[in-house]
Amino acid sequence: QVQLVESGGGLVKPGGSLRLSCAASGFTFSDYYMSWIRQAPGKGLEWVSYISSSGSTIYYADSVKGRFTISRDNAKNSLYLQMNSLRAEDTAVYYCARYSSYNVYFDYWGQGTLVTVSS
Amino acid sequence: QSALTQPASVSGSPGQSITISCTGTSSDVGGYNYVSWYQQHPGKAPKLMIYEVSNRPSGVSNRFSGSKSGNTASLTISGLQAEDEADYYCSSYTSSSTPCVFGTGTKVTVL
Repeated sequence: QVQLVESGGGLVKPGGSLRLSCAASGFTFSDYYMSWIRQAPGKGLEWVSYISSSGSTIYYADSVKGRFTISRDNAKNSLYLQMNSLRAEDTAVYYCARYSSYNVYFDYWGQGTLVTVSS
Repeated sequence: QSALTQPASVSGSPGQSITISCTGTSSDVGGYNYVSWYQQHPGKAPKLMIYEVSNRPSGVSNRFSGSKSGNTASLTISGLQAEDEADYYCSSYTSSSTPCVFGTGTKVTVL
């Protein structure tokens, strides 16, 4: 069965950096686009970024452009999100999700990892 | 890119039908048949319920159905059950600089 397991969340000071990871299993990782989606405490879902199956196509939300970098290692079945210059408003649960680029939906989600940006 | 507009809350009694709206623009909901819906129980990850406006993934109850008219998409839950109490989010492809946008979310309460 498809499994996505995020890790790397935690408490970081404003201006700091954090790298999230997502370990995928149960499907051919290299065949699928992948995405990061976040949810601030008590708030709605916000799409953050996606990356194509080969890594050649990448998009970011305007709110994170220039600060966050998405990447993947298909040999390790892993997705990453490097987050720099973190702000209080980046505090959220970050979900890794498998993305169907043809039909434009997120069909499998991880359990999420909490990132807290606070001094 | 602004979030798609959903009602903050919708409620209904067991067995009733409810409908959640998702309003966007011609650049997203109205322009493409790429609307999806997600169910999220408290403390859990979202779950895909509908894709491409009206298609159900395998395993999703046929009590859930989707439709679209103009710039507004809708999710209907028929035969409402206690387990349907959750938050629901719509999402759409968009031709703006960011290719995906979510709705503001709707809390469904089963009375």
